This record gives sequence, C-alpha cells and structure tokens, in this order.
Amino acid sequence: EVQLAQSGAEVKKPGESLKISCKASGYIFSNYWIGWVRQMPGKGLEWMGIIYPGDSDTRYSPSFQGQVTISADKSTGTAYLQWSSLRASDTAIYYCARRQNRGRSSEIDQWGQGTLVTVSS
Amino acid sequence: QSELTQPPSVSGAPGQRVTISCTGSSSNIGAGYDVNWYQQLPGRAPKLLIYDNNYRPSGVPVRFSGSKSGTAASLVITGLQAEDEADYYCQSYDSNLSAFNGVFGSGTRVIVL
Repeated sequence: EVQLAQSGAEVKKPGESLKISCKASGYIFSNYWIGWVRQMPGKGLEWMGIIYPGDSDTRYSPSFQGQVTISADKSTGTAYLQWSSLRASDTAIYYCARRQNRGRSSEIDQWGQGTLVTVSS
Repeated sequence: QSELTQPPSVSGAPGQRVTISCTGSSSNIGAGYDVNWYQQLPGRAPKLLIYDNNYRPSGVPVRFSGSKSGTAASLVITGLQAEDEADYYCQSYDSNLSAFNGVFGSGTRVIVL
C-alpha cells in the first residue's frame, strides 16, 4: 500500500528555521515526483514545488522560489521541506503528495496527512 | 494568484445535480493539459476524484464525472449526497511554469441544502 507519512505539528517563532519530512512507503521512492502543497488557514491549495528523488531535480513555483528548500533522501525514502527563517505568514498546513508518471498532465494520486506549522511570537 | 478560476461555492438539495466549473486559459487547459479534480472533506487531506478530465480512480462513486472543452473543465455531481459536502479543486499544468509544476484552481465549496 502506497503511503506518505508526514512529521508532526510544529510551533515556531518568527526567524526560526524548520525542516518537515514526508516518508514514503509501498513503492519505489526514486521513480516518482514528490510535490509540496500549502494550505493557509481557511484558504485553498497552492502548489509549492516538486522534486524527483531519482536525481534530485527540483522545480519551484514562482511564488515559493527562494522562500523554501525542497530536498529528498533516496536512502531513507524521505522528502523534506525546509525554511531558514520562518515568518508568521508561513502558518499553514503543508501536504506532501506523489505525482503519477502517466504523462505531462499526471495527477497527484497519493497525499500525506498534512503537517500543521504555526509561526507565532 | 490561482490561474484556474472556480466559483467560490455551489449548492444543491440531496439528489440534485451540481456543476463546478474550472476556467483556465490558452497557457494551461487551452494548451492541451488535462484536468484533475480533488475532493477535500473538512479537516482532511485532499483525495483524487477525477484524473485526465474524466476518469475515476477505483472507489470513486459513479455520480462524479468530469469533462473538458476549450479552456475550461467541469466536474458534475449527479445525485448529490450529504457526504459530498466538501471543497473541490481542479488542477492542471501551465506552459508558463516549469514542467511538472502544477497549478490548482481557487476551490469550490459544495453545500448540501
């Protein structure tokens, strides 16, 4: 069974750094793109970026370029999303998601349970 | 700013038919990219509902259907049920973005009266 298990909720102060994780199981981690999606309180889904663990090819959506870092560790089957300096506006639920490989419009077929990040002084 | 526009909400009584539109442009849906749809129940992670415009994954009820024409797509719920009350998002890709980076619609809340 394909599963994406995300790390637990975090409470941080502005300016602090953070790295959250998404551990994949049930499939060959290196062979599928893994994306990150933000959902701010009461708002819609926003595509942040995506990584191909096989070669660490990483693409960022324009709004998130330079704001976060996406990485992956093939040896542990884990993808990461990190911030070097959090802001209150980073408060949101973050989902990791697996992209299928069927073509240029492939769907997200598996989602993590979400990680709530709260940034407050 | 979402590049795929959806109505903020639609409503219907149980048993009725509701349609959710997803309006794009010549750089996304109009460029030939297919559309996927997701359902997000309150407090839950999104779930794939429709892929490649009109295909249902295993386990998705037949009352959900999708279509695409020109620069827009639609999700139809035929025979609305109480458990369909949720947020629905279309998703596609855009030639102005790097490959494999998708874009979501603004989201539509379905209210069952």
